[in-house]
Amino acid sequence: QKEVEQDPGPLGVPEGAIVSLNCTYSNSAFQYFMWYRQYSRKGPELLMYTYSSGNKEDGRFTAQVDKSSKYISLFIRDSQPSDSATYLCAMSQGSNYQLIWGAGTKLIIKP
Amino acid sequence: EADIYQTPRYLVIGTGKKITLECSQTMGHDKMYWYQQDPGMELHLIHYSYGVNSTEKGDLSSESTVSRIRTEHFPLTLESARPSHTSQYLCASSGQGAGYGYTFGSGTRLTVV
Repeated sequence: QKEVEQDPGPLGVPEGAIVSLNCTYSNSAFQYFMWYRQYSRKGPELLMYTYSSGNKEDGRFTAQVDKSSKYISLFIRDSQPSDSATYLCAMSQGSNYQLIWGAGTKLIIKP
Repeated sequence: EADIYQTPRYLVIGTGKKITLECSQTMGHDKMYWYQQDPGMELHLIHYSYGVNSTEKGDLSSESTVSRIRTEHFPLTLESARPSHTSQYLCASSGQGAGYGYTFGSGTRLTVV
């Protein structure tokens, strides 16, 4: 069983809809949780970063961490065609530990 | 502008050839990483470095080698390329480790024929 599970999709939603992307994990020691966005033929770019539990909001993006359920989410409001990309979750026990990655969810926003 | 650069972007090479994938960063980051990424699969760590003259192998077994002679430069070398090495190779750097996120290059798409 993988330490981090993420549905690969593809997930297709109409423009303007709210998108929900999720990851589950098995290691209760994870404390740092991140979401990266990767466009085709590009490297991943850091989108959201959360330490421990709770919510974090940045513009149209909200990251949620539920450590009791070992579940993290990324919400995108008012989705745009430019949001079409692969979204990868990543997590770590601490700054001296490696990142553990999900396989990524391919998101397609339909105009 | 602070950034991380990978060259070449695309490479098609014959079996048995020696190749070096270049990675340079201008951010002064101590920590650098090489990942392999196949379509629909998670990133697999193949090498990392926490500073000059420090290199370690990652979780994914790899026939490649790396060096870290200067802080900004972290090249990856395949002594004898094989078709099984066909993949996307991503270089990343971090100022303070995994807890603070990585900055990635655009990647090198390698095809071995």
